Amino acid sequence: DAKTTQPNSMESNEEEPVHLPCNHSTISGTDYIHWYRQLPSQGPEYVIHGLTSNVNNRMASLAIAEDRKSSTLILHRATLRDAAVYYCILRDIRGTSYGKLTFGQGTILTVHP
Amino acid sequence: EAQVTQNPRYLITVTGKKLTVTCSQNMNHEYMSWYRQDPGLGLRQIYYSMNVEVTDKGDVPEGYKVSRKEKRNFPLILESPSPNQTSLYFCATSSTRGLKNSPLHFGNGTRLTVT
Repeated sequence: DAKTTQPNSMESNEEEPVHLPCNHSTISGTDYIHWYRQLPSQGPEYVIHGLTSNVNNRMASLAIAEDRKSSTLILHRATLRDAAVYYCILRDIRGTSYGKLTFGQGTILTVHP
Repeated sequence: EAQVTQNPRYLITVTGKKLTVTCSQNMNHEYMSWYRQDPGLGLRQIYYSMNVEVTDKGDVPEGYKVSRKEKRNFPLILESPSPNQTSLYFCATSSTRGLKNSPLHFGNGTRLTVT
């Protein structure tokens, strides 16, 4: 199963944009790119996902490179509540591969007031 | 309200004493999965289930058992717990209908300590 690589940590100031990168050079055509975040003392929560086109929702934007080998999660205005561990994972929608998921260590985002 | 409920939230036990961590969901999801989270190692998948009576190993299945007798429940069983199974455990679910738009929903975790 394809793996992802993320920086261990990043820092931002409150109300500034944050760009969290993810590399997935071995991505297959049936892999969707998912982002989750884990706030302190909580389970991970879904943020956004996409296949080829850029995606926006109320939480964030997802920018996907044209060759799909990398993606960037964009938080347009970071708040203190956005401080969390962010995970980028690949989810293969083929039935035989759908179940197995590899999370990795994620990126610890620190937001300064 | 859509929920994934894990019980207990905290558990301290001794080596060798069988235990079960329960996971229940009210979203009629086909897919359920268990993860453990350890410092420096991130989330690692233990077992997953694509539907009732269908289970498969994840990356770290040794020392664990699961069963999926009904759709809403997916218990994690430790027949003979050992200290290296001390960890934070998460259950996750998702629908397999419309695979393109089926995010994972996680429970709040179970912190297990084996002495």
